[in-house]
Amino acid sequence: NAGVTQTPKFQVLKTGQSMTLQCAQDMNHEYMSWYRQDPGMGLRLIHYSVGAGITDQGEVPNGYNVSRSTTEDFPLRLLSAAPSQTSVYFCASSYKASWAYGYTFGSGTRLTVV
Amino acid sequence: AQSVTQLGSHVSVSEGALVLLRCNYSSSVPPYLFWYVQYPNQGLQLLLKYTSAATLVKGINGFEAEFKKSETSFHLTKPSAHMSDAAEYFCAVSAPSGGYQKVTFGIGTKLQVIP
Repeated sequence: NAGVTQTPKFQVLKTGQSMTLQCAQDMNHEYMSWYRQDPGMGLRLIHYSVGAGITDQGEVPNGYNVSRSTTEDFPLRLLSAAPSQTSVYFCASSYKASWAYGYTFGSGTRLTVV
Repeated sequence: AQSVTQLGSHVSVSEGALVLLRCNYSSSVPPYLFWYVQYPNQGLQLLLKYTSAATLVKGINGFEAEFKKSETSFHLTKPSAHMSDAAEYFCAVSAPSGGYQKVTFGIGTKLQVIP
């Protein structure tokens, strides 16, 4: 089925560990982004990409890195995990980097940092 | 700058009753507006969107929303609640920022449907 695939669904990390959250879409969407969802705070944008080779920071980028080597993939790297990064992470894509299009979301990765 | 305010983090309705979820926005340019629904342990799903074609927008599962510029509102309604409507609903505003898309989400409203 076409859509946005995120792996893993669940992850527990120790403080200081690094890991990569994977995101892949098969809809040839130009725009991809990462959000974190925390209770009472809605969704906050971490990083986004408007095409292969182009990435930029969102509102909460500290502690995270991204790259976009292909149209399909947009991995999110946690450099040195901290308890404050415990959250649910969503990858979202859009046909174009335009404000007229809605997002297609992945099913999320629930990350716990202990 | 743009922002979204969702009034009421929790709303309870009886099955068969009207559903009304409130959303007010602010934007310095004419925005596009969206409603998303999130079922437990799932990602967000687009419910409907306003892109200036018509002020009354119909979405999936019987939901609709009306854009009222004078009130800067985009409230979500459904005439008759069903148990399957229990979920969290997010209002979002999208507007150009530096040539690219900037989307701001509200904090969400959890809808409880009482049998």
